[in-house]
Amino acid sequence: GQQLNQSPQSMFIQEGEDVSMNCTSSSIFNTWLWYKQDPGEGPVLLIALYKAGELTSNGRLTAQFGITRKDSFLNISASIPSDVGIYFCAGQSLIQGAQKLVFGQGTRLTINP
Amino acid sequence: KAGVTQTPRYLIKTRGQQVTLSCSPISGHRSVSWYQQTPGQGLQFLFEYFSETQRNKGNFPGRFSGRQFSNSRSEMNVSTLELGDSALYLCASSPTPGKPYEQYFGPGTRLTVT
Repeated sequence: GQQLNQSPQSMFIQEGEDVSMNCTSSSIFNTWLWYKQDPGEGPVLLIALYKAGELTSNGRLTAQFGITRKDSFLNISASIPSDVGIYFCAGQSLIQGAQKLVFGQGTRLTINP
Repeated sequence: KAGVTQTPRYLIKTRGQQVTLSCSPISGHRSVSWYQQTPGQGLQFLFEYFSETQRNKGNFPGRFSGRQFSNSRSEMNVSTLELGDSALYLCASSPTPGKPYEQYFGPGTRLTVT
């Protein structure tokens, strides 16, 4: 089946540093989504990307939909303690006649104050 | 507006038993999807319901089933539990089906099978 390779698996950074993570796949997706999940909570949508090459920002977060439609990255600038959590990418495509989401394995972000 | 609620939040069951999890979507949302989250497999789509009908299904065995009621509330059932069914089960609701980017997730039900 379709798989997303998300990297890095974990990051340990200092407060104030910039963060970059990405997802790649051998499959084409028509939408890329980035989520953040805090402990004990469900994922929360951060950014949605709908077309190849699209670059979208949400505050200190910026994400891009790769030109090949097989990859996406998420950048976080000037990290703060509340950025701690697990970040997931997800690709949406038509599978067996229905729109389905495939998720990456997540990037766990830890920030040292 | 209240978010997606899931009950119970935590559950411990024994192998071979069955379990039913409940999800109440955001008011006005008529589509409900279920996901399984495990450390090994990550987040995987189980199924999606809209207007009391299953519209979409992931690659899970028939032991996993669900239903949706006329008020859009949904339940999922797992029969003959196996140790590997231990996971966080997430429910997500959206106004209309087929648009995962419009989904809001609940906090999940943590199921432990012993």
